[in-house]
Amino acid sequence: GAVVSQHPSWVICKSGTSVKIECRSLDFQATTMFWYRQFPKQSLMLMATSNEGSKATYEQGVEKDKFLINHASLTLSTLTVTSAHPEDSSFYICSARGAGELFFGEGSRLTVL
Amino acid sequence: QKEVEQNSGPLSVPEGAIASLNCTYSDRGSQSFFWYRQYSGKSPELIMFIYSNGDKEDGRFTAQLNKASQYVSLLIRDSQPSDSATYLCAVNGFRNDMRFGAGTRLTVKP
Repeated sequence: GAVVSQHPSWVICKSGTSVKIECRSLDFQATTMFWYRQFPKQSLMLMATSNEGSKATYEQGVEKDKFLINHASLTLSTLTVTSAHPEDSSFYICSARGAGELFFGEGSRLTVL
Repeated sequence: QKEVEQNSGPLSVPEGAIASLNCTYSDRGSQSFFWYRQYSGKSPELIMFIYSNGDKEDGRFTAQLNKASQYVSLLIRDSQPSDSATYLCAVNGFRNDMRFGAGTRLTVKP
């Protein structure tokens, strides 16, 4: 089946630094990818829809200048958390549609000290 | 009103029993409904999807949809300890994204 890979799985960074998370569709092309964030014991909240070759569409309340999304190819989308702060610590999950089904990456756990 | 609502649980059932998970959604125009299972620290994995009113069975799992009541449920028969996880109800959004409920934590006790 279709596979979506995320990297890194874990990242710890200092407050004020930026962190980049990659999401790759390994065996299919994804014109659209979705970025979710999940805080402990809460549901997945859609942050933005990443569109290949165009600007991402952000959900209400998500700062586009803080969460930079780049979808430069049909198999890669990146999420950059700029000037990260402890409140940005969360589980970030990307997903992409392949063969009509939504596949999730393994997730990236970000801890900001 | 949240787009997708679930009882957060926890729901505890004995091994071999039927676990019943419920979900309601607010957008009457929603067409596609999904149940995901999520183990702690892992990404969600798809269990079932349902598009039409009625029941859909897949092994020990049965999804039920009632669009008039805006209600989706998941039944797990012969529950096993390995079924212990958080179950997420999801509805397809208008941008073909996925909107999730808060999840119901299920514990199956041996």
